[in-house]
Amino acid sequence: GEKVEQHESTLSVREGDSAVINCTYTDTASSYFPWYKQEAGKSLHFVIDIRSNVDRKQSQRLIVLLDKKAKRFSLHITATQPEDSAIYFCAASSDYNQGKLIFGQGTKLSIKP
Amino acid sequence: NAGVIQTPRHKVTGKGQEATLWCEPISGHSAVFWYRQTIVQGLEFLTYFRNQAPIDDSGMPKERFSAQMPNQSHSTLKIQSTQPQDSAVYLCASSLDFNQDTQYFGPGTRLLVL
Repeated sequence: GEKVEQHESTLSVREGDSAVINCTYTDTASSYFPWYKQEAGKSLHFVIDIRSNVDRKQSQRLIVLLDKKAKRFSLHITATQPEDSAIYFCAASSDYNQGKLIFGQGTKLSIKP
Repeated sequence: NAGVIQTPRHKVTGKGQEATLWCEPISGHSAVFWYRQTIVQGLEFLTYFRNQAPIDDSGMPKERFSAQMPNQSHSTLKIQSTQPQDSAVYLCASSLDFNQDTQYFGPGTRLLVL
């Protein structure tokens, strides 16, 4: 079945720098790629998504890139702030799964002052 | 908008007992999803409903797990004869529509089976 691999289990960046989290997927039929943020002790909070008909999407300081040929997508957080510290999960779903999300293992992002 | 509501937030059961978890989706959302989160397995899909009808339960452990959605305002996940390996955070999410629409997650129910 579909698998989503999240390459960085932990990531530490200095405040103000950019952070990049990378994910790969196995199912060529995957067409929807959301990202979620989980702060300590809390649930998943949707941050941004991208669909397979585009290769780039930006929302304020968040940029998502999609490379369908390489089956890779990434989350870029620019001008990082302390409140960006959290675990970030990537996910993927395909048309035939109709919304069922397959998640990566999560990346713990720490922003250092 | 109160978001997705899950009750109870915490539940402790003894091995072999039954546990029922409740989820109230966001009003107007037609799809409800259940996931499970553990340290070892990460986030796993369990099952989902569209317009109250069960669509995909491929992630549900067989025999002891069941889910229902008797009306558009709530869904339940029932675990019979709980085992220690069922200990996890059970997350409910809802989306406006089922087909790759944004899923909004509830706070989760932390289940501990002793």
